[in-house]
Amino acid sequence: KNQVEQSPQSLIILEGKNCTLQCNYTVSPFSNLRWYKQDTGRGPVSLTIMTFSENTKSNGRYTATLDADTKQSSLHITASQLSDSASYICVVSEDNFNKFYFGSGTKLNVKP
Amino acid sequence: EPEVTQTPSHQVTQMGQEVILRCVPISNHLYFYWYRQILGQKVEFLVSFYNNEISEKSEIFDDQFSVERPDGSNFTLKIRSTKLEDSAMYFCASLRTRGEKLFFGSGTQLSVL
Repeated sequence: KNQVEQSPQSLIILEGKNCTLQCNYTVSPFSNLRWYKQDTGRGPVSLTIMTFSENTKSNGRYTATLDADTKQSSLHITASQLSDSASYICVVSEDNFNKFYFGSGTKLNVKP
Repeated sequence: EPEVTQTPSHQVTQMGQEVILRCVPISNHLYFYWYRQILGQKVEFLVSFYNNEISEKSEIFDDQFSVERPDGSNFTLKIRSTKLEDSAMYFCASLRTRGEKLFFGSGTQLSVL
């Protein structure tokens, strides 16, 4: 069964600190993995997209890693800001792009 | 950055009524999707649409649901007879081509009373 699991479910960190969010998936055949940021009541916004051949992709303070062998990805946020408070969702697509599988998200709360 | 536009932002309806949720995908995009998110739960896939036909649909997308791309720009989701459990945020998304960004609209919050 194609699944995407994320951990932790929620995380509280102090402003300025770094954090790492995890994503494990069983989607096959795998095409790419995306990390999204979703503010409450809003649509998800793309942060990074990685194919199986990419190990690392950065977007400003966000750095995603992918290990296609172990089917794991992480999202590292550096020097967190209050505006980083949101849910971070890992999304994996099958090779045919007909369907994207969503993780349950990690709810990040950055406190001053 | 280009945007996927959804209307209305909020829709309140009585159980058993029909609703139509509207989306304007980004103009040169080819793949279209509807997702929903029940409050506090993960985003769930409903249906994908490509080349004027449904590519894939989930078990949620039963006979009460239908999609249309009536005029080459709008992409609509119709729920024929709404149920209480259809209350959710419905997101439209579009994709130009494989490997590129999947853009989401801001969603329509559907409340079925």
